[in-house]
Amino acid sequence: GAGVSQSPRYKVAKRGQDVALRCDPISGHVSLFWYQQALGQGPEFLTYFQNEAQLDKSGLPSDRFFAERPEGSVSTLKIQRTQQEDSAVYLCASGGGSDTQYFGPGTRLTVL
Amino acid sequence: GENVEQHPSTLSVQEGDSAVIKCTYSDSASNYFPWYKQELGKGPQLIIDIRSNVGEKKDQRIAVTLNKTAKHFSLHITETQPEDSAVYFCAAPPGGYQKVTFGTGTKLQVIP
Repeated sequence: GAGVSQSPRYKVAKRGQDVALRCDPISGHVSLFWYQQALGQGPEFLTYFQNEAQLDKSGLPSDRFFAERPEGSVSTLKIQRTQQEDSAVYLCASGGGSDTQYFGPGTRLTVL
Repeated sequence: GENVEQHPSTLSVQEGDSAVIKCTYSDSASNYFPWYKQELGKGPQLIIDIRSNVGEKKDQRIAVTLNKTAKHFSLHITETQPEDSAVYFCAAPPGGYQKVTFGTGTKLQVIP
């Protein structure tokens, strides 16, 4: 079946612009996670949803980062007033109730 | 929070040899330990996982061992092939919670 999809795959933004990154999880998966992966590093947790409820947002680096999942399926990660340090790959993962997380291909964000 | 350390950071082996990657974790309540393979430009892909009620799990050429007393777990790849070349990440959720902490990654190169 279809896996986790993310769009866009690549995004270039000028510093100060707002960006929105989309995640389509595997159909029926209740859990959804966002991670940030810097070059040469492992993924770092940003936030976690169970259905539409955001249960943990402790990894969001600042109040410029905002995530939502209003209908419990598609999720959007929004970054306001982007800074150069926001440049990274943003990964989305979904889970069906067990511990296993399935990752999407990621969105590579470059802030100039 | 959970702290996961991974070694080595790079590993080169000849095709057909074995490769071993080791991880240690800090939270004694952790009970699920996945391993991910990440190829260039792709998201992490789960290759094997183990739960705390078993000490070893094998899937064809890949095996994972867990020592809960010492709080470390290892990935073993036998009969390595060039397509095994990738970055491998271990991970652990603290206290069984789904928020996952990743290791820093091991870049495996299999030389034909």
